[in-house]
Amino acid sequence: ETAVFQTPNYHVTQVGNEVSFNCKQTLGHDTMYWYKQDSKKLLKIMFSYNNKQLIVNETVPRRFSPQSSDKAHLNLRIKSVEPEDSAVYLCASSYLGAYEQYFGPGTRLTVL
Amino acid sequence: GQQVEQSPASLVLQEGENAELQCTYSTTLNSMQWFYQRPGGRLVSLLYSPSWAEQRGGRLTSSAASNESRSSLHISSSQITDSGTYLCAPGPNTGKLTFGDGTVLTVKP
Repeated sequence: ETAVFQTPNYHVTQVGNEVSFNCKQTLGHDTMYWYKQDSKKLLKIMFSYNNKQLIVNETVPRRFSPQSSDKAHLNLRIKSVEPEDSAVYLCASSYLGAYEQYFGPGTRLTVL
Repeated sequence: GQQVEQSPASLVLQEGENAELQCTYSTTLNSMQWFYQRPGGRLVSLLYSPSWAEQRGGRLTSSAASNESRSSLHISSSQITDSGTYLCAPGPNTGKLTFGDGTVLTVKP
């Protein structure tokens, strides 16, 4: 099956903990993205990687750090989570020049 | 940065009625992608247009007027299963998508 996969589906943690989310795409794309969707369903770009290279880095807190081992994988680590980090984190992929993006199912993070 | 606005914020239709959703943006763009999302569901791409051309997909049509920085999504003969949130995302050169706030569509029997 060719698609964008994310793990875990849900994660509940406490303030100050570290969390990691994984994303894998089997579509053969060379660019991957992390978006944050808040409780009001507002979607905002966080990071974008092309062939393991960071190409988009929006203004996000420094506790967020993306990691890419190859063009098919993009992970997101959050050190010392805060309550405002509660959201759904969506991973997407595309070809760099095509702009049509395909999204994963998301990881819902709840920070208590 | 680019501003994207969608209207209406919410829309209630009777099954079978047509819908027109609007997306306006602040800069010249290269592409438009429309998405659909059920509550708690995956973001699903509906239509993608690499230029300001009309795109059709079944009961959906996306059209744009480049000189007006506005795009519309037309849904014909709405069905109850069309209920959900519709998001537009104009695409700039960098490839990152900037999303509108969405239109929540409710189709009633």
